[in-house]
Amino acid sequence: GAVVSQHPSWVICKSGTSVKIECRSLDFQATTMFWYRQFPKQSLMLMATSNEGSKATYEQGVEKDKFLINHASLTLSTLTVTSAHPEDSSFYICSASPPGRSITDTQYFGPGTRLTVL
Amino acid sequence: AQTVTQSQPEMSVQEAETVTLSCTYDTSESDYYLFWYKQPPSRQMILVIRQEAYKQQNATENRFSVNFQKAAKSFSLKISDSQLGDAAMYFCAYIPPRGNTGKLIFGQGTTLQVKP
Repeated sequence: GAVVSQHPSWVICKSGTSVKIECRSLDFQATTMFWYRQFPKQSLMLMATSNEGSKATYEQGVEKDKFLINHASLTLSTLTVTSAHPEDSSFYICSASPPGRSITDTQYFGPGTRLTVL
Repeated sequence: AQTVTQSQPEMSVQEAETVTLSCTYDTSESDYYLFWYKQPPSRQMILVIRQEAYKQQNATENRFSVNFQKAAKSFSLKISDSQLGDAAMYFCAYIPPRGNTGKLIFGQGTTLQVKP
């Protein structure tokens, strides 16, 4: 089956530093990946849609200069949290759809990355 | 705006019993997809079941089935013969069809506790 991985699974950083999170589709190519943010015991909120070879599309209220997304290849999308602050501490999840399946009917999720900013 | 509402923050069920999780949604579209996702303590999102709005037949996957009431915009999940491994947070989700953007809209989630 389709597998999506994320790295790292857990990261702690100091306030003011930048952190990069990777999302990889391991056994399929994904032209579109999605990035979500989840606070404890809350729902997933879509942050942005990552498109291979083009700029990401951000949801309303998400600072594109703070959350930099790069989708440089068909198997890798990265989310960089720039100048991180404690309020950026959260669980970040990515998802992708395998070829042959519509992005409206099948998405596979990565295991998530827990970011803690001290 | 399209919204998904799960009005039960927490539910509990005895092992081997049946439980139903509620979900309602709001949309003006006639064709769309609805999903139930499971998020266990590992936080890995797992697709439980998927329903296409144009299909009247309720989707089923082993012990999991849905009651899809399109006119009422209701999409409940029934878990039969509950098992300890079913304990998780369950999210109802909707995808609007227009533009084929793949944007999932999630409900608030329901935490399911399974008692041995």
